[in-house]
Amino acid sequence: DVKVTQSSRYLVKRTGEKVFLECVQDMDHENMFWYRQDPGLGLRLIYFSYDVKMKEKGDIPEGYSVSREKKERFSLILESASTNQTSMYLCASSLGLAGNNEQFFGPGTRLTVL
Amino acid sequence: DQQVKQNSPSLSVQEGRISILNCDYTNSMFDYFLWYKKYPAEGPTFLISISSIKDKNEDGRFTVFLNKSAKHLSLHIVPSQPGDSAVYFCAGVAKTSYDKVIFGPGTSLSVIP
Repeated sequence: DVKVTQSSRYLVKRTGEKVFLECVQDMDHENMFWYRQDPGLGLRLIYFSYDVKMKEKGDIPEGYSVSREKKERFSLILESASTNQTSMYLCASSLGLAGNNEQFFGPGTRLTVL
Repeated sequence: DQQVKQNSPSLSVQEGRISILNCDYTNSMFDYFLWYKKYPAEGPTFLISISSIKDKNEDGRFTVFLNKSAKHLSLHIVPSQPGDSAVYFCAGVAKTSYDKVIFGPGTSLSVIP
């Protein structure tokens, strides 16, 4: 059973703080993803990674960076948090990038930036 | 510019009846379409998919129909059960775009006992 875990379920930070969101998967998946979910907008891809130390920008990478030093771990970094980054953040992993590969999601981190 | 649209934010259906969730897309390069289901406080889970070369895919109570000429797909749930109450996301995948999954905004389904 694939398990994707995220370090925090709820997080409250102040504007300007550096924020780290951690994601770990236990199924040796090649690909990992970070999304944010906002009402009326669905899930939007921030960054993804198809291999260790590799990263690709998604649709809304501005204000974010990522790190993938180990295959099982994918971190999302907010260098200087802003109130418009208040959102639900979802991490996912998949075995391959071929179109029909199921993505497995973590439970999400609800981040509030004050 | 949303490439995947779900124009009904919410839907209520009586238990035992059919639920029909609709999805429209603009990107003609999508190779696959996916449906994910999300319960509150949980991550989305994969439900069913369909290749762009097919017009129907069925898995138990769930059937997805694809009308390429209309750029429209729908998810049918028959019969609907209270446990189906969740947010359903439609998504498209284009191999030409690193297989990125483009999600719609979601439709919240309530199945009333």
